[in-house]
Amino acid sequence: ETGVTQTPRHLVMGMTNKKSLKCEQHLGHNAMYWYKQSAKKPLELMFVYSLEERVENNSVPSRFSPECPNSSHLFLHLHTLQPEDSALYLCASSPKSGTSGSPLHFGNGTRLTVT
Amino acid sequence: GQNIDQPTEMTATEGAIVQINCTYQTSGFNGLFWYQQHAGEAPTFLSYNVLDGLEEKGRFSSFLSRSKGYSYLLLKELQMKDSASYLCAVMDSNYQLIWGAGTKLIIKP
Repeated sequence: ETGVTQTPRHLVMGMTNKKSLKCEQHLGHNAMYWYKQSAKKPLELMFVYSLEERVENNSVPSRFSPECPNSSHLFLHLHTLQPEDSALYLCASSPKSGTSGSPLHFGNGTRLTVT
Repeated sequence: GQNIDQPTEMTATEGAIVQINCTYQTSGFNGLFWYQQHAGEAPTFLSYNVLDGLEEKGRFSSFLSRSKGYSYLLLKELQMKDSASYLCAVMDSNYQLIWGAGTKLIIKP
């Protein structure tokens, strides 16, 4: 398997549930990212990890909790979400963070619906 | 503030040429990216411009003018499979990617 893989592809959860999104990259990259994509809006960067250390947290609500156990895996733990959190959550990786020229490699995303 | 502008939606005919524009106002500039995203799929990298001029890659070309804060993506010999959203993103002086909202391109037979 190559590239960036996200599971699950689709997730429906109630506001009181706890769930986790998983991302795995097989590209040997050192940086991983979580993005939120809402319809007709720009991609919103949520978290950046470089060599398993969080380097950026763009003022994301605490109901979203990231975890990066190693440079190949990234999780997004979800709890007590709100309906406005319904969106496509994209994971991406790159060789390094904070450098120009290297494009991001994205997974297919998890389509999250909060009911 | 930082801003990327691109048209929300465009329609073109199979076999024709279409140009998708992107204008930006950012704090510094460290390159501009174009991505293609088919519905329900991952954005995939198309092109990167950091110097002024035209970069050609098969049927796709991307142009940059840093002095005008302007780029375009040119798609030639359009095919039905080119129906997708096209995302413009600029890397600012802090190496942060600033994203446009994307242009949905509809190709008609």
